Amino acid sequence: DARVTQTPRHKVTEMGQEVTMRCQPILGHNTVFWYRQTMMQGLELLAYFRNRAPLDDSGMPKDRFSAEMPDATLATLKIQPSEPRDSAVYFCASGRITGGGFEQYFGPGTRLTVT
Amino acid sequence: KQEVTQIPAALSVPEGENLVLNCSFTDSAIYNLQWFRQDPGKGLTSLLLIQSSQREQTSGRLNASLDKSSGRSTLYIAASQPGDSATYLCAVNPSGTYKYIFGTGTRLKVLA
Repeated sequence: DARVTQTPRHKVTEMGQEVTMRCQPILGHNTVFWYRQTMMQGLELLAYFRNRAPLDDSGMPKDRFSAEMPDATLATLKIQPSEPRDSAVYFCASGRITGGGFEQYFGPGTRLTVT
Repeated sequence: KQEVTQIPAALSVPEGENLVLNCSFTDSAIYNLQWFRQDPGKGLTSLLLIQSSQREQTSGRLNASLDKSSGRSTLYIAASQPGDSATYLCAVNPSGTYKYIFGTGTRLKVLA
């Protein structure tokens, strides 16, 4: 049963600390997305990659956030330094184009709390 | 700029009722539309994917329709059950991109 995995599932950290979240996309999926979900803003797209190349990171605060895909099986989202307003659930999703269209599959999320 | 709206924001219905959730989008130039379900504290589960050339898709008690020209999609749930209680989100994939724009969701509660 192929699925997107994310680590850690929960993270509590103090303001100013570095946070790294990891995602393993479904094998064979060549498009990877990072989203952030909060009660106030809903689900926001932060960045996405296609064939490991960043295509759009316009939703990401550039001064503190960075997203990379060092290889096809790993995507990372890093926040440095973290701030309380970064507290949210961060989702990774992966997808690929098939004859049936382009469908996304979501991971379980990383719940980040910055105190 | 593509915007996606879902109405109502919340809905409570008695078990067994048929119901319709609405999704509207401002730009009809889309490649796909996808409906998701999210349970509290969980990730999103894909329910149905409709390509722009299709009018509807069905899976079990769920039927999703798409009217691209009017910028609308509906998710029909037949014979609702308490287990259907969740937040339902629609997302559109604008043509020429690989990203999805999400609506804010409809929180559904089915009462036993």
